Amino acid sequence: AQSVTQPDIHITVSEGASLELRCNYSYGATPYLFWYVQSPGQGLQLLLKYFSGDTLVQGIKGFEAEFKRSQSSFNLRKPSVHWSDAAEYFCAVGPGTASKLTFGTGTRLQVTL
Amino acid sequence: GAVVSQHPSWVICKSGTSVKIECRSLDFQATTMFWYRQFPKQSLMLMATSNEGSKATYEQGVEKDKFLINHASLTLSTLTVTSAHPEDSSFYICSAQKGLAGDTQYFGPGTRLTVL
Repeated sequence: AQSVTQPDIHITVSEGASLELRCNYSYGATPYLFWYVQSPGQGLQLLLKYFSGDTLVQGIKGFEAEFKRSQSSFNLRKPSVHWSDAAEYFCAVGPGTASKLTFGTGTRLQVTL
Repeated sequence: GAVVSQHPSWVICKSGTSVKIECRSLDFQATTMFWYRQFPKQSLMLMATSNEGSKATYEQGVEKDKFLINHASLTLSTLTVTSAHPEDSSFYICSAQKGLAGDTQYFGPGTRLTVL
């Protein structure tokens, strides 16, 4: 069965600081990996996705993520955080031949000014 | 773009009544739509998968008779919470998939259901 672990429940960073959100997955084959962001009371917005190819993927809002098969990780990064980045971030994994997504428990990002 | 809408955005109902939530893909045809439930400060739990013109596939533990899903067209899926009770209060989110299996899911803004 597929699973996703986001070890950090809550992270606080200062505006302008760099950010890394961790995501580890468990899946038997090549996974489809996603990062979504959810603002309070809102649905999820896709930040980026990885299916194959270059293991460093660029997303919207200046985010990037790196797929590391050896570590079963897909960590999300941003060089300089803005106050508007404060939100809940979800990592998700899906199998290549079906569509069900399994979500991690999320990481709440707080940005201090 | 790939925009998914949900209606209503929030609803309050009395215990024992039924509530219908609509999910629409506005600018694309969705081969598959998904319904999720999210409890406060928790992750999304997949409830069911629906394909246009066929019966929905429910996840283990989700009551089919309680959560009726109808996928009437390639742009519309509805979730009806029947005989709602306070424990059904939650944030319900739908998503729509554009194309092939494994392709990106686009999420609606969610519907906050409160059952009194």
